[in-house]
Amino acid sequence: GESVGLHLPTLSVQEGDNSIINCAYSNSASDYFIWYKQESGKGPQFIIDIRSNMDKRQGQRVTVLLNKTVKHLSLQIAATQPGDSAVYFCAGTSGYSTLTFGKGTMLLVSP
Amino acid sequence: DTAVSQTPKYLVTQMGNDKSIKCEQNLGHDTMYWYKQDSKKFLKIMFSYNNKELIINETVPNRFSPKSPDKAHLNLHINSLELGDSAVYFCASSQEAEWSYGYTFGSGTRLTVV
Repeated sequence: GESVGLHLPTLSVQEGDNSIINCAYSNSASDYFIWYKQESGKGPQFIIDIRSNMDKRQGQRVTVLLNKTVKHLSLQIAATQPGDSAVYFCAGTSGYSTLTFGKGTMLLVSP
Repeated sequence: DTAVSQTPKYLVTQMGNDKSIKCEQNLGHDTMYWYKQDSKKFLKIMFSYNNKELIINETVPNRFSPKSPDKAHLNLHINSLELGDSAVYFCASSQEAEWSYGYTFGSGTRLTVV
């Protein structure tokens, strides 16, 4: 089955810095990945997704990179703001199977 | 016009009680889910359900049962609550699509068993 894991750090950055959150997955059949943001007291919120036929996808201030060779993906947040402080999860699936979530990384942005 | 709504937001109850958490989605999605988030923020799938199939995570105790009166609702009923059931429970929904398959989550129900 799918196993998606994060090393669970608390990433502390200064406002304006770029942030990089990493995620490893185990199932080479995984073909779809999503990054979620969870603020305190709220449910996970979709940020950006990527299919396995891509190695990079950009959104507004966010970029997801996928390296299928080493089964690794990352979320890059440009010019990090205090409002970006949250727990970030990667999630993956193959086909339309249920999403499996990683452990989460706490991002703390100080002004 | 909340897309996925859960009630109640907070639930405090005693061991041994039976309780239900309700979930409704107005997105027209075909599939709904229940996830459990533990104190370390780990999200674990409990159930997925569409009008064709219920998929149960085999690690979920049979004290937990999903009930779906219609496509827009998936309630979670819990019998004989235990201390270890304390967690945040999230409902989510999704629709199969050619490209994007992201789940939409509710805001969660924090269950505390005392």
